[in-house]
Amino acid sequence: DAGVTQSPTHLIKTRGQQVTLRCSPKSGHDTVSWYQQALGQGPQFIFQYYEEEERQRGNFPDRFSGHQFPNYSSELNVNALLLGDSALYLCASSHALRNEKLFFGSGTQLSVL
Amino acid sequence: AQSVTQLGSHVSVSEGALVLLRCNYSSSVPPYLFWYVQYPNQGLQLLLKYTSAATLVKGINGFEAEFKKSETSFHLTKPSAHMSDAAEYFCAVRLYNNNDMRFGAGTRLTVKP
Repeated sequence: DAGVTQSPTHLIKTRGQQVTLRCSPKSGHDTVSWYQQALGQGPQFIFQYYEEEERQRGNFPDRFSGHQFPNYSSELNVNALLLGDSALYLCASSHALRNEKLFFGSGTQLSVL
Repeated sequence: AQSVTQLGSHVSVSEGALVLLRCNYSSSVPPYLFWYVQYPNQGLQLLLKYTSAATLVKGINGFEAEFKKSETSFHLTKPSAHMSDAAEYFCAVRLYNNNDMRFGAGTRLTVKP
C-alpha cells in the first residue's frame, strides 16, 4: 500500500516564476492538507482540500492556490515566486472521519533563486 | 488562537538515558495534541496523539506523553534512548473541528553512544 507520494522531490525556480507541486494521498484517504516547512521551523498550514473544495485556509496569500481532483489527488500552485517561498512543501492526507490522524509525504524541496 | 512552544531546539542524551522533550500549549478550549517525528529527508510520522481520553498516552517506539492541563504541558518521554531515536521532533496542537494544525519549531534529538 503506497503512502502519500509527492512530486517532484526537488525543484529550482527563479523569482517571479510559477510552480505546481503534486500529491497523491494514501489509499482510502479523501482529504489533503498542504504545509510549508521553512528551514529550521515547524510546518505551517497552507490549506486543506476535501470533496474538491478548499475547506480551510491558513495565513498564506492568494499566490498560493490549490486543487483537488476526483481521485483525491491534489496540486499546490504558487504564483509570482519570492525568495521567501523557498521551503519544504509537505502534503498530508487523512480520512474525513478520522481527520486527526495525518499521514505525511516526504515533501518537495523548493528553492527559489 | 492555539499554539505550542517547544522548549529547547536541541537536546542531547546518551544511549540508554531518559529522553524528555518539552512542549507547552496555548488554547482557549481543550485541544488535540500530537507529537510527530521527522527523520532526515522524510515526512513527518505520528508518534502519539491526545484527544481528550486518557491523559497518559502511549505511542510507537516506546514513547509516551502526559497531558497536564494545570501546567498546559504535553511533554514527550522515553525511558531509554536508542541511537535510532535521533531525529527532529515536533509537537502540534489542533482544535476540535478545526483543520489548522499548529506545529512547534521542533527539537532536534541527538543520541550519543
